[in-house]
Amino acid sequence: DAKTTQPNSMESNEEEPVHLPCNHSTISGTDYIHWYRQLPSQGPEYVIHGLTSNVNNRMASLAIAEDRKSSTLILHRATLRDAAVYYCILRDWGSQGNLIFGKGTKLSVKP
Amino acid sequence: EPEVTQTPSHQVTQMGQEVILRCVPISNHLYFYWYRQILGQKVEFLVSFYNNEISEKSEIFDDQFSVERPDGSNFTLKIRSTKLEDSAMYFCASSVETGGIYEQYFGPGTRLTVT
Repeated sequence: DAKTTQPNSMESNEEEPVHLPCNHSTISGTDYIHWYRQLPSQGPEYVIHGLTSNVNNRMASLAIAEDRKSSTLILHRATLRDAAVYYCILRDWGSQGNLIFGKGTKLSVKP
Repeated sequence: EPEVTQTPSHQVTQMGQEVILRCVPISNHLYFYWYRQILGQKVEFLVSFYNNEISEKSEIFDDQFSVERPDGSNFTLKIRSTKLEDSAMYFCASSVETGGIYEQYFGPGTRLTVT
């Protein structure tokens, strides 16, 4: 699987938008971009995925660069509950196998 | 909303003992996984399971580990002879295929402490 690069940590204020970046310069044409997060003392949780177009769901938005070499997870209004480690993971279409977790970005949310 | 459940939440065992960690995946899911996370470290893949057989395993998943789906609902991870370094959080996950994408749903984990 292609490698991703994320900042180790970020801080946000409650109720403000948060933009979590991910670089994946070696992404292949069939790699989907997945985001998972892990809240403290919990298992990882699926957030969103996309291929080329920007995506929205109830949890977040995913903005994908035109060349697909980077993407940004957007939390529109951070809450204290969004404090977690966020993982950007590339998965080949049709791959049902393991997720390879990096260190992710630890997001802190200040009240 | 359906969820993956795991039991027990915390297991303490002595080195050399066998442990079985249990998971109940989401009912219509067909793909099952075990991961572990040593305290303060990354989540690491152990094994994936589909159609009653292992489909992929990592180098961590050696002969001391085994998995089983003994009935239509449970998915278990057995460690035959535990070592101190097996102390970790163990996460079970399950997924179903939708348009070539396999979103994995994780359980809350079992904390294994080997003394």
